[in-house]
This record gives sequence, C-alpha cells and structure tokens, in this order.
Amino acid sequence: KAGVTQTPRYLIKTRGQQVTLSCSPISGHRSVSWYQQTPGQGLQFLFEYFSETQRNKGNFPGRFSGRQFSNSRSEMNVSTLELGDSALYLCASRPDRVDEAFFGQGTRLTVV
Amino acid sequence: DQQVKQNSPSLSVQEGRISILNCDYTNSMFDYFLWYKKYPAEGPTFLISISSIKDKNEDGRFTVFLNKSAKHLSLHIVPSQPGDSAVYFCAASEGGGSNYKLTFGKGTLLTVNP
Repeated sequence: KAGVTQTPRYLIKTRGQQVTLSCSPISGHRSVSWYQQTPGQGLQFLFEYFSETQRNKGNFPGRFSGRQFSNSRSEMNVSTLELGDSALYLCASRPDRVDEAFFGQGTRLTVV
Repeated sequence: DQQVKQNSPSLSVQEGRISILNCDYTNSMFDYFLWYKKYPAEGPTFLISISSIKDKNEDGRFTVFLNKSAKHLSLHIVPSQPGDSAVYFCAASEGGGSNYKLTFGKGTLLTVNP
C-alpha cells in the first residue's frame, strides 16, 4: 500500500500571502489529521477530518482551515501568512476506530 | 500546559546496550499511548503503542511499559543499533472517536554510538 503523500514538499511564501497544502491518505483510511511542527512548540494538532467533516480542531487561529474531499484527500489552507507560520506541516491518516496514525513526509513551509 | 512531557532532550548509548526513553503525562483521560521515531525532514514513523488497560507491549527489539498510577511510560530498545539514532516522540490520545487527536511530547534525540 502506498503511504501518506503530501505535496508540495517545500514551499516558500511571502508574508500576507495564502497557501494550500495537499494530503492523500493511505487507501481505505477515512480519517485525516494535520499537525504543525516547530522547534519551539513541537508537534501540535491542527484538526481532524473524517468523511468530509471536521471532527476536532486544535488551538489555532481561524487563518488555518482545511477540508476533505469524498475520496478522503485533504487540503489545508493558511491565509494571511505570518513569519511564525514557518513550520513543517504534517498530515496523518488512520483506519477507523484505531489510534495509530501514519504520517506523510510533511511540507516544509517557509514564510519570508 | 504540557500534558505529555519528555524530560530528557537527548540520550546517548553504545551500540548493543539498552536505550530507555521516558515519558510522563498529566491528563488522566489519556487511554492510548504511542511512540514515534523521526528523522530530520521526514514525517514521524509509528513504532509501538500500548492501551491503558495493559502495562507492557513488546514488538521485536522495542518494548513499551506503562505505569498508570505514576502516569509514566517508557520505551526500551534492546539491543540498540546505530540506525536507531533519531528523535523519539511519545504521544497520547483520549480515544479514537470524534475527539481524536494525538498530544505529543517534545521528543528525545537518541544517539547510538558504534
């Protein structure tokens, strides 16, 4: 089975711009969650989607949003980028009723 | 408030010896615990997990121990190999339902010296 695929791997954006990141989960996984990793805060939960519905959201501002499509693929959007949004953004998928999440390689976002 | 803590930022061991990585948690609602291994510029790789109804789970060279009363878990790697050198994250969840999310510790950098 193919793993979780995230695109693009690297991205450089300017402050004030917006960005969209993409995630394709493992086939058959309906749950997709997103995490932000920074040196200071570590890995922090952004949100989880299941069957196109956001089920849980972390403590991030409304500039961070996401969606999930009927094929379980997910996108994450960050609007009005700030320097502090520079981070590794990780997507994870998991089977139903299982706690183990499987991560993609991440998208490294740099805001300049 | 950090609900999952890994108090040792780094650990260095000799090849062939045991590596013990520790993790403490404060949230009594956590009922599932996981360990992930991460190399730079890659996503975390799932290693091993344990449910709160167990106190030990073993998978090859990796064993996780859970002490619920102390809110403490540890990952033992025996024998350690140079390829085990990576950052290890402890994570916890409150269940796989609609409130699912993983809460991570800040990681421990393990270096296994040949």
